[in-house]
Amino acid sequence: AQSVSQHNHHVILSEAASLELGCNYSYGGTVNLFWYVQYPGQHLQLLLKYFSGDPLVKGIKGFEAEFIKSKFSFNLRKPSVQWSDTAEYFCAVTAGGAGNMLTFGGGTRLMVKP
Amino acid sequence: GAVVSQHPSWVICKSGTSVKIECRSLDFQATTMFWYRQFPKQSLMLMATSNEGSKATYEQGVEKDKFLINHASLTLSTLTVTSAHPEDSSFYICSARDSARDTQYFGPGTRLTVL
Repeated sequence: AQSVSQHNHHVILSEAASLELGCNYSYGGTVNLFWYVQYPGQHLQLLLKYFSGDPLVKGIKGFEAEFIKSKFSFNLRKPSVQWSDTAEYFCAVTAGGAGNMLTFGGGTRLMVKP
Repeated sequence: GAVVSQHPSWVICKSGTSVKIECRSLDFQATTMFWYRQFPKQSLMLMATSNEGSKATYEQGVEKDKFLINHASLTLSTLTVTSAHPEDSSFYICSARDSARDTQYFGPGTRLTVL
C-alpha cells in the first residue's frame, strides 16, 4: 500500500518569504499526485495535480510543485507567500489511477506573519 | 471547479441516536464517493469508498454496521452513524470523483458532536 509523508508539521514564515513544503510518497508504480489546501474554517480545495507530462506543474494562487520520480517527491513551492496563504496543506497520492482512493500525508500547517 | 455539498454542516445528538449525513455532487455525476474522518490537528483518514448502485468498501477497522453508507444515485451518497456514542464525535468529510477531470472534490465537512 502507498504512504505519504510530509516532513514539516508546522511552518511559520513572514510575508514575501519563499515557501517549500516537502512531500514524499512510497509506491513503486504509477501515481497521481495532488496538493490540497484547507483554509481556516473552509473545506479542502484542490491546489494542483500531476498526472503525467511536464513534472513541474503550476496551480492556483501562484503555487507550483515539482515531481521528481527518482526521489519519490512532490514538493510544493511558492516564491513569495502572503498572509492569506495561512492554511493547512495536504499532499495526497492515488496509485494506479486517479479514481482510486487518495492517501493523504499528515498535513503541514503554514502560518504567514504579516 | 466542481462543487460538493454536505448536509448538515453541524449536528449535535444524544448518545444512542442515529445521524444521517448527506453528500451531494452539485454539478457533476459521481459514480464514486469517499467518506473520510478528520480528528483534530490530524490528517484525513479514509473510512470507506462508496460506489453508486453497489455496496461500499470499508477500510480496515471501520465498522460497516455502525457507519452505513448508501450511494443510491450519481449525485448523492449518505453516511449514517448508527447508535452514536461520544467517541464518534468527529469531523466527517466526503469527496466525489469527477471522472471528466479525474479528480476528487471535497465537501465542506460535517461536525458531529455526540453528547
